[in-house]
Amino acid sequence: KNQVEQSPQSLIILEGKNCTLQCNYTVSPFSNLRWYKQDTGRGPVSLTIMTFSENTKSNGRYTATLDADTKQSSLHITASQLSDSASYICVVSRFNAGNMLTFGGGTRLMVKP
Amino acid sequence: DGGITQSPKYLFRKEGQNVTLSCEQNLNHDAMYWYRQDPGQGLRLIYYSQIVNDFQKGDIAEGYSVSREKKESFPLTVTSAQKNPTAFYLCASSGRQETQYFGPGTRLLVL
Repeated sequence: KNQVEQSPQSLIILEGKNCTLQCNYTVSPFSNLRWYKQDTGRGPVSLTIMTFSENTKSNGRYTATLDADTKQSSLHITASQLSDSASYICVVSRFNAGNMLTFGGGTRLMVKP
Repeated sequence: DGGITQSPKYLFRKEGQNVTLSCEQNLNHDAMYWYRQDPGQGLRLIYYSQIVNDFQKGDIAEGYSVSREKKESFPLTVTSAQKNPTAFYLCASSGRQETQYFGPGTRLLVL
């Protein structure tokens, strides 16, 4: 079964600290993996996208890694800001499946002053 | 939110009533999607359309209906057959094999 599991479900950190969110997937055949940020009551916004051959990709203070062998990805947030408080969703697409996506349940991050 | 708009932001449904959620995009995308989001769960696909006048059922289509008469518009109707409609509904669109861009969402509540 194609699944995407994220951990932790929720996380609280102090402003300025770093954190790492995890994503494990069983989606096959793998095409690409995306991390989305979703503010409360808003639609998700894409942060990064990685294909099979990419190990790491950065977008400002966000750095995503991908290990296609172990089917794991992580999202590292550096020097967190209050505006980073949101849900972070890991999304995997299958090769030759059109643009059909499998979504993780998300990690809810709260950054406190 | 890109060039995708959803309305209304909040919608209240009475028992036995059909309600329609609007989704419009000006990104010239061929594909459009409707998702349902419940607390603590991943987004689940309700319906999708890859071209005008054609649409396909997703994983949880029962109790919902859609139409795709124009490229820019993909309205979703929540029918009275949907017994648990309270959720956050997200519309998305994409170009061919591209990232899906999401609208701001509609929260549906049952009175």
